[in-house]
Amino acid sequence: TQLLEQSPQFLSIQEGENLTVYCNSSSVFSSLQWYRQEPGEGPVLLVTVVTGGEVKKLKRLTFQFGDARKDSSLHITAAQPGDTGLYLCAGLADDKIIFGKGTRLHILP
Amino acid sequence: GAVVSQHPSWVICKSGTSVKIECRSLDFQATTMFWYRQFPKQSLMLMATSNEGSKATYEQGVEKDKFLINHASLTLSTLTVTSAHPEDSSFYICSARGTGVLSYEQYFGPGTRLTVT
Repeated sequence: TQLLEQSPQFLSIQEGENLTVYCNSSSVFSSLQWYRQEPGEGPVLLVTVVTGGEVKKLKRLTFQFGDARKDSSLHITAAQPGDTGLYLCAGLADDKIIFGKGTRLHILP
Repeated sequence: GAVVSQHPSWVICKSGTSVKIECRSLDFQATTMFWYRQFPKQSLMLMATSNEGSKATYEQGVEKDKFLINHASLTLSTLTVTSAHPEDSSFYICSARGTGVLSYEQYFGPGTRLTVT
């Protein structure tokens, strides 16, 4: 069974701080996506990483795909209250997309 | 591009009635659509995978006779909750997976909040 473990499950920090969310697996993924979901809405795709070691930046968000394509991280610099939400990673393997259980992030003003 | 819509966005129904939820890919063709269920403050739980023109594949523990899925075209999948009960109240989200360069990404609809009274 392929699993994607996300950590931490919950994170509450002050505005302006930095944070990193991790997504780990023992399986290799062809690609990995990160989504953000706000209450009452569907998840919104943030980024897709495909190449091992790939780094993508989206304003204050930095996404990295592990060299072995088994793990990924999301780093947020100078977090803002608008970053609050549920962050989900999802990996594609054997034509199936596997979701992590999510990291619930709360940024305190 | 890659927009997915759901209708209705919320619905309230009485126990014992059936409710149909539509999922449409607006600007791309989706050979595969997925239906998820999400309880408050939890992650997404995959219910079934819907492939155009064939029967849906249900995840373990999901009753296929209760949650009827039809994927009649490359842009439309429907989920019908039959004989709904209060425990079926949840947030239902669909996603669509495209073809070609979109084949390794899923795009989610905005969700449908179902409340069964």
